[in-house]
Amino acid sequence: SYVLTQPPSVSVAPGKTAKITCGGSDIGTKSVHWYQQKAGQAPLLVIYYNNDRPSGIPERFSGSNSGNTATLTISRVEAGDEADFYCQVWDNRSDHWVFGGGTKLTVL
Amino acid sequence: QAHLEQSEAEVKNPGASVTVSCKASGYTFTDYYIHWVRQAPGQGLEWMGRIKPNIGGSQSAQKFQGRVTMTRDTSVNTVYFGLHGVTSDDTAVYYCARSDYSVVKSWFDLWGQGTLVVVSS
Repeated sequence: SYVLTQPPSVSVAPGKTAKITCGGSDIGTKSVHWYQQKAGQAPLLVIYYNNDRPSGIPERFSGSNSGNTATLTISRVEAGDEADFYCQVWDNRSDHWVFGGGTKLTVL
Repeated sequence: QAHLEQSEAEVKNPGASVTVSCKASGYTFTDYYIHWVRQAPGQGLEWMGRIKPNIGGSQSAQKFQGRVTMTRDTSVNTVYFGLHGVTSDDTAVYYCARSDYSVVKSWFDLWGQGTLVVVSS
């Protein structure tokens, strides 16, 4: 089955830029989506279709996807951005939806 | 406003079956997949399966085939998720989530609040 690999943790100072990667074989050929999950809450879609933002998500959140790596970029990080982030794709070979293992973003 | 409302927490003995419901409101129930995603304590998200409410067809992840059933009742806009032969490894928060029928739009744009299932003797 298709595997998505994320770093377990990323740390960033307030006001700086955080980059969270999601690795997968030829992931650049797939549509990647990103979710933010704060403690005790359900996940929230923050990026869909590689780099589109749902209504209400700040422009500070952006995404890219090429080759074997997709990246979620959070600019001007705020304390309120601290959360777990998950990437997700649909795998056409298995017709399964797949999540990455998740990355904990810590704001220093 | 679109919303998914899940049933309350459950405590089950090992070997039992558990059913979680997910009631949709604020949108056309038969126009979107309903998926089930679980999260064990301190762990990540795991996709378990999906149901297509307009026809009732379902598919579960290979790992759970034979242990999961998914049904729907269009008269009350509700999907039911059943997990059979539970063990302590099935202790988790179970979420329902919505996605478009088109796999080009394979993201989950609406989530339920989650249902905690605890398996303990």
